[in-house]
Amino acid sequence: GAVVSQHPSRVICKSGTSVKIECRSLDFQATTMFWYRQFPKQSLMLMATSNEGSKATYEQGVEKDKFLINHASLTLSTLTVTSAHPEDSSFYICSARWGQRYLFGPGTRLTVT
Amino acid sequence: QQQVKQSPQSLIVQKGGISIINCAYENTAFDYFPWYQQFPGKGPALLIAIRPDVSEKKEGRFTISFNKSAKQFSLHIMDSQPGDSATYFCAASNTGGGNKLTFGTGTQLKVEL
Repeated sequence: GAVVSQHPSRVICKSGTSVKIECRSLDFQATTMFWYRQFPKQSLMLMATSNEGSKATYEQGVEKDKFLINHASLTLSTLTVTSAHPEDSSFYICSARWGQRYLFGPGTRLTVT
Repeated sequence: QQQVKQSPQSLIVQKGGISIINCAYENTAFDYFPWYQQFPGKGPALLIAIRPDVSEKKEGRFTISFNKSAKQFSLHIMDSQPGDSATYFCAASNTGGGNKLTFGTGTQLKVEL
């Protein structure tokens, strides 16, 4: 069945380095994927909408130079957190639309030390 | 106009009881209303969804009630079980324009024995 996967599930990086998170749609193609960020005990905050073959659309207040999104194929979108700082530590979740449904990945826990 | 208000913030229900979570929206262009269940450290999982052309939808122990005139919808969990203890999010989308999901603030449900 249709599933959204993410890799890695957890990542620890040092301050100032960059980290890439992959989001894949399995058994379906997704022209649009969404990237969310979630802090503990809070709701999901949409960061950007990723469109296959074109530039991502970022939500207000999200730094596009810091959170680089690439949607190079119909089944893969990547989020790169550049020059990460401890305040970027969070739970990052991607989503893709499958028919009428919005499916979510299992999330990636990023810890910046 | 893009907000979805959710209540209560937390809820404690006895095993076998009914859990009720409410959401209200303002944007009349919303035409898709899903509910998600999220366990700690996991991505949200789609529980049930409804479109505004029906007033109620039931899947197993989960029921969505939808009141278009009041712009409100609710999730009822019948025969609540300890395994239902999780955070529940309502959401809404205008599927014809932008496709973004707007999330409620979440309800932390605890089902006690």
